Amino acid sequence: DAGVIQSPRHEVTEMGQEVTLRCKPISGHDYLFWYRQTMMRGLELLIYFNNNVPIDDSGMPEDRFSAKMPNASFSTLKIQPSEPRDSAVYFCASSLGGPDYFGPGTRLTVL
Amino acid sequence: DAKTTQPTSMDCAEGRAANLPCNHSTISGNEYVYWYRQIHSQGPQYIFHGLKNNETNEMASLIITEDRKSSTLILPHATLRDTAVYYCIVRVALYSGGGADGLTFGKGTHLIIQP
Repeated sequence: DAGVIQSPRHEVTEMGQEVTLRCKPISGHDYLFWYRQTMMRGLELLIYFNNNVPIDDSGMPEDRFSAKMPNASFSTLKIQPSEPRDSAVYFCASSLGGPDYFGPGTRLTVL
Repeated sequence: DAKTTQPTSMDCAEGRAANLPCNHSTISGNEYVYWYRQIHSQGPQYIFHGLKNNETNEMASLIITEDRKSSTLILPHATLRDTAVYYCIVRVALYSGGGADGLTFGKGTHLIIQP
């Protein structure tokens, strides 16, 4: 099993640009979670999906953030426009409702 | 807010047992105790979850007190590769009728294994 796959692993962009992070969950998993990790705030849940449907997006910080899951094998997290305070490591995780399995993360730097 | 309390950091000598405590005094009957760890620059890694029985796998043992208000994760023979932040999290069980929800991470315990 390849595990959760995230791309890109690193992203450097300038303030105001659109950023798209991608996630491929483990095959057969029906839950998908997006988390963000910063030194100040630690690991925070942003949004999660069940069977491709968003269940709870209360952790999404602002309207600049949006997430989609067009099918069971792909999800995106988009930031438009990006700001320096969005710099963080973004993790995707998937599960069958039990233990969550995390991807390696995308380290985002917004200059 | 996280519903668990853990020491901020702990040291342990290589080869010795590392005992990581967690207090979850407000745990509900339908909540499991989950343990994850995060090695520097990697994603969190699932270790264990349990309801009330003690558990053991190839990595560690989980001891949950009878009143379920605290638990201890035990790494029996710690190695340098076990240096990581260890998170204890309580989470509603699927069987209680709801679906899964996201994990609420606290600050965890930074375990440092000394050579």
